[in-house]
Amino acid sequence: EVQLVESGGGLVQPGGSLRLSCAASGFIFSNYWMAWVRQAPGKGLEWVANIKQDGSEKNYVDSVKGRFTISRDNAQISLYLQMNSLRAEDTAVYYCARDHYGVLEYWGQGTLVTVSS
Amino acid sequence: QAVLTQPSSLSASPGASASLTCTLRSGINVGTYSIYWYQQKPGSPPQYLLRYKSDSDKQQGSGVPSRFSGSKDASANAGILLISGLQSDDEADYYCMIGHSSAWVFGGGTKLTVL
Repeated sequence: EVQLVESGGGLVQPGGSLRLSCAASGFIFSNYWMAWVRQAPGKGLEWVANIKQDGSEKNYVDSVKGRFTISRDNAQISLYLQMNSLRAEDTAVYYCARDHYGVLEYWGQGTLVTVSS
Repeated sequence: QAVLTQPSSLSASPGASASLTCTLRSGINVGTYSIYWYQQKPGSPPQYLLRYKSDSDKQQGSGVPSRFSGSKDASANAGILLISGLQSDDEADYYCMIGHSSAWVFGGGTKLTVL
């Protein structure tokens, strides 16, 4: 059974940093792109970033470029999102998802990030 | 102008069909894109429904009923999710998505009410 479990969310002040993790199981992690998608409270989905199987290619939505870094550790079967210079508008539930060329077939339950003073 | 535009809400009756549209921004030709559709119910992560590029290039999500199907309206530059035989359980938010400029882009979502 495929499982994705996010962690690391919480309350952080504007300008602060947070690192999200996503522990994967039930599939060959190193065979798949992985992605982060977020959803602000009461709002729609926003794709944030994705990363190639070996980490050699990374893509980001414009609003997080230069502030967020996606990474992965295939040995630890984990995906990460380092978030720096956080803003109020980054407040959202952050989901990790297995990305098979746009088919986001498996999602975690999400972790809530709140940016507020 | 947003890359993908979806109507914010749609209502339909049980047993009827619902057609959810996803309009691509002018200058982005729907014919060249695969349109991905996702369903999200309150308190749950999204669920992948299907991908549609053409009648010969499409994919149904695992376990997704054939009542859910995709198409395109080239004249409207739009992708369409058709749900037939509506059930109360189909009440949810529906999002379209495309790959554009090395990024995945979601539409704003349509809230489907079945009543």
